[in-house]
Amino acid sequence: SAVISQKPSRDICQRGTSLTIQCQVDSQVTMMFWYRQQPGQSLTLIATANQGSEATYESGFVIDKFPISRPNLTFSTLTVSNMSPEDSSIYLCSVAGGSGGQPQHFGDGTRLSIL
Amino acid sequence: GENVEQHPSTLSVQEGDSAVIKCTYSDSASNYFPWYKQELGKRPQLIIDIRSNVGEKKDQRIAVTLNKTAKHFSLHITETQPEDSAVYFCAASTGTASKLTFGTGTRLQVTL
Repeated sequence: SAVISQKPSRDICQRGTSLTIQCQVDSQVTMMFWYRQQPGQSLTLIATANQGSEATYESGFVIDKFPISRPNLTFSTLTVSNMSPEDSSIYLCSVAGGSGGQPQHFGDGTRLSIL
Repeated sequence: GENVEQHPSTLSVQEGDSAVIKCTYSDSASNYFPWYKQELGKRPQLIIDIRSNVGEKKDQRIAVTLNKTAKHFSLHITETQPEDSAVYFCAASTGTASKLTFGTGTRLQVTL
């Protein structure tokens, strides 16, 4: 399966600031997704990152708060804007598709704490 | 949209016993059902998946069954070992490369 590199692995940020998380894949993939996992909870889809166009957001998530870029088939970024303590979570990138139609696999995640 | 329910939320078994985790889904358009294992502090890892044209799939000590009519699918782990201790998530989607809707998770503890 594709090797997924997610940066940073963790960060501690001040409220009101923004952080951009990067997801790099070692091969071209069809689909890239961003999920949030709050402490002790399940995974919730934030959005589907579309190559060359605006991301598709799930209910409850908006572009102003979580802008997403996907300039090519191997890279995407998620920005968490104007952070508050409620944004403290693990943010996970996942990828699917590509050669062989591989199922969804996850990066190691970014553990974000907001003070 | 899709809604996935998962039971039980916690499960404790003795080493060597079997464990069963059950999920139900709501959207009849869902046709792909993966299971992920997440160890503490680690990423979710795909352990087995099943497509709607198959009723059962087995991989060594792990098996998954699907009842499309009842919209149920289950994970079965036989001969459990301490390293099986983790949180298990079921999920549903309309394809292998489509967005996933996750269940709430089951914390499995295998005791010696």
